[in-house]
Amino acid sequence: GESVGLHLPTLSVQEGDNSIINCAYSNSASDYFIWYKQESGKGPQFIIDIRSNMDKRQGQRVTVLLNKTVKHLSLQIAATQPGDSAVYFCAENTSDFNKFYFGSGTKLNVKP
Amino acid sequence: KAGVTQTPRYLIKTRGQQVTLSCSPISGHRSVSWYQQTPGQGLQFLFEYFSETQRNKGNFPGRFSGRQFSNSRSEMNVSTLELGDSALYLCASSLDQTNTEAFFGQGTRLTVV
Repeated sequence: GESVGLHLPTLSVQEGDNSIINCAYSNSASDYFIWYKQESGKGPQFIIDIRSNMDKRQGQRVTVLLNKTVKHLSLQIAATQPGDSAVYFCAENTSDFNKFYFGSGTKLNVKP
Repeated sequence: KAGVTQTPRYLIKTRGQQVTLSCSPISGHRSVSWYQQTPGQGLQFLFEYFSETQRNKGNFPGRFSGRQFSNSRSEMNVSTLELGDSALYLCASSLDQTNTEAFFGQGTRLTVV
């Protein structure tokens, strides 16, 4: 039958506001996580990673939070800019070499 | 330092043909993974190579195959193409064996007509 496109949740924010993108993962054995940004027509771009022995990691304008109890990951972007508009994916790994499982993605729309 | 390079960027093939895609990882990286991205299924893992050995394979038919050369460059091949194989094929490069940062190339957009 005809495949149905994934329905991407969309987050719309005003330029300058903070953005929070959430991701639920299913495998409690996952111990390494990466957030990617993908712009139209491009490959996923590495943003930030976190290992399961941490619950928070900060980068430049971005923070990743990991809650292993409820298997939840979030990406916080401070002072969101129009250039942040893209689809954001979380990816998880279970020490299974470099095989990552990707979430379905969230589209971030930044309004000027 | 150069990023991950995938060639070609775009490809149009007809059903039944076969195709070979190429990926050159970041210099010094020894792990190469391949993913298929479609609107319907999202990003799905195809296989991963490290030191010329396939260590992991996703849930794809045997028409999908790959290999890695001694210089870490990798190719993937799809035989007997089907319309449903139309997708963006992405290659990811990692330095080490496991649980390390994976960097993607721009992908090869394959259209099967």
